[in-house]
Amino acid sequence: GQQLNQSPQSMFIQEGEDVSMNCTSSSIFNTWLWYKQDPGEGPVLLIALYKAGELTSNGRLTAQFGITRKDSFLNISASIPSDVGIYFCAGQLGISNFGNEKLTFGTGTRLTIIP
Amino acid sequence: NAGVTQTPKFQVLKTGQSMTLQCAQDMNHEYMSWYRQDPGMGLRLIHYSVGAGITDQGEVPNGYNVSRSTTEDFPLRLLSAAPSQTSVYFCASYGNYGYTFGSGTRLTVV
Repeated sequence: GQQLNQSPQSMFIQEGEDVSMNCTSSSIFNTWLWYKQDPGEGPVLLIALYKAGELTSNGRLTAQFGITRKDSFLNISASIPSDVGIYFCAGQLGISNFGNEKLTFGTGTRLTIIP
Repeated sequence: NAGVTQTPKFQVLKTGQSMTLQCAQDMNHEYMSWYRQDPGMGLRLIHYSVGAGITDQGEVPNGYNVSRSTTEDFPLRLLSAAPSQTSVYFCASYGNYGYTFGSGTRLTVV
């Protein structure tokens, strides 16, 4: 089955640094989503992108929907300790409530903050 | 609190045993799904349901059964557990604000 290529697999950064991760696919998606997973918990939605070229921010997080609809990136500015976790991208064929709701997930980026 | 509730949180099974992972949501969502998460693999779709009485296979359905008799509940059954089913299982429902995931069931098959 298809999985999205997400990079990097892991990142070790110092508090205050900016973070950038991206996700690519061989297929087109109509919605791109970014999730964060804390240990022992399920993924929680950070940002949703619905239009090619869209740039959306949520506090210190910024994500973009690639113009080809086959990629997306997530930036985190001025990282803080609570940013630690695993970040997943996900592609969805459906738009909002319509169409195909199934998600295809990336392989995840594990973010660690070095003291 | 509204959301998706999964039980149990942890389970150890012997090869060949059967069990049911429970999932319930109180948001009146029609769409529910089960994923498994393995190291380095992200989440992969096992089965999903678009409403009561309707289920379909996802990417990795072998070894798992589901049923959807009510809108609220979507149990996942392992009829004869195998070590390859050792994983973390997440149930999710989908509504107006996207997906809501449960906190997961960590299953070990020995």
